[in-house]
Amino acid sequence: EDKVVQSPLSLVVHEGDTVTLNCSYEVTNFRSLLWYKQEKKAPTFLFMLTSSGIEKKSGRLSSILDKKELFSILNITATQTGDSAIYLCAVEAGSGGSNYKLTFGKGTLLTVNP
Amino acid sequence: KAGVTQTPRYLIKTRGQQVTLSCSPISGHRSVSWYQQTPGQGLQFLFEYFSETQRNKGNFPGRFSGRQFSNSRSEMNVSTLELGDSALYLCASSLRKTSGTSMDTQYFGPGTRLTVL
Repeated sequence: EDKVVQSPLSLVVHEGDTVTLNCSYEVTNFRSLLWYKQEKKAPTFLFMLTSSGIEKKSGRLSSILDKKELFSILNITATQTGDSAIYLCAVEAGSGGSNYKLTFGKGTLLTVNP
Repeated sequence: KAGVTQTPRYLIKTRGQQVTLSCSPISGHRSVSWYQQTPGQGLQFLFEYFSETQRNKGNFPGRFSGRQFSNSRSEMNVSTLELGDSALYLCASSLRKTSGTSMDTQYFGPGTRLTVL
């Protein structure tokens, strides 16, 4: 059974801190890893990673994938209160063709205090 | 461009009833996926529809079913509701230009909050 484990489950920091969120996985036929941010409503897409060692960046957020060690990290620098959210990691794995399955981790609840 | 819309936003049902939820994808998106989100299990994949065909299915009982129409709108049905079906049901749409490609960016709707009493 495919597994995605995120750590920590929750994190409280002060504005300006840098945080690193972790996502490890055990899946069959890995295809991609995705990061989402979920505030009070629906998740919003952050990054999709398919290749090891290539950092994806968007403003203060960045993410990288290690397919050998089966994990990804999401970094947020100079955190702001607006970064407070649940960060979800999901892994797409499939047997080929159009068959795939998306497995989500339980998420990391990040709270940024002023 | 309008986002993904889901109706209704909130629903209260009793055990044994059935429910139908609706999802309208972003215009031009042909893939619609459904997810169940609960505090205990997190976000779980239900199924994906592409061009009116169910292409992938998660580990949910047969009480959960869905369909997609020619305009890409999708419905999800849950029969014989159980207390444990209380959850936020999210749908997400994506372009999925061709079959067999890795996941395209998914855009989530606001969800339908289902409460089973």
